[in-house]
Amino acid sequence: SQELEQSPQSLIVQEGKNLTINCTSSKTLYGLYWYKQKYGEGLIFLMMLQKGGEEKSHEKITAKLDEKKQQSSLHITASQPSHAGIYLCGADAQGNNDMRFGAGTRLTVKP
Amino acid sequence: DTGVSQDPRHKITKRGQNVTFRCDPISEHNRLYWYRQTLGQGPEFLTYFQNEAQLEKSRLLSDRFSAERPKGSFSTLEIQRTEQGDSAMYLCAASRGGSSPLHFGNGTRLTVT
Repeated sequence: SQELEQSPQSLIVQEGKNLTINCTSSKTLYGLYWYKQKYGEGLIFLMMLQKGGEEKSHEKITAKLDEKKQQSSLHITASQPSHAGIYLCGADAQGNNDMRFGAGTRLTVKP
Repeated sequence: DTGVSQDPRHKITKRGQNVTFRCDPISEHNRLYWYRQTLGQGPEFLTYFQNEAQLEKSRLLSDRFSAERPKGSFSTLEIQRTEQGDSAMYLCAASRGGSSPLHFGNGTRLTVT
């Protein structure tokens, strides 16, 4: 089965700093999804990447997909306390909307 | 609001009791998923439905677990003879299928004492 490894496991940054979270897949990526989760709540969909080299941005968050490396990165520019939470990557293991998730990266932003 | 609602939000039960959780997706979401999440881990896939048909079940889903989606709308997840290891957050997600993203409910947190 597909495994997704996220790094780092946790991250503490000062407000205003940039940061990057990585997600590496053990198998071919048919689709890569980024979600954010606050403690005790469900996952909120952020972005979906489907093609190699694809890059998407929403406000200060940018995600890229490197299909050859089977890897995706999530970059946050000028972090704010509202960015704090757990970021999870999910991948479509077989191209049929059968999604598996990484263990998540816990982000803390210090004011 | 993702349009996926789960009930109850919290459930405390004694070991050996049966529990049932409910998930209500919005009507356009013909795919429905159940996941289990423990502290510090990502969601683990349990099962999913295409309309009323249960298409895949994880080996994590022991004989004590059963899920249904009788009319292709809401779904229930039942755990029989609960064990302390069943304590977790149970998440429901739904999608329109294809490559469309999953939309999650806020989960049911189960505590087995």
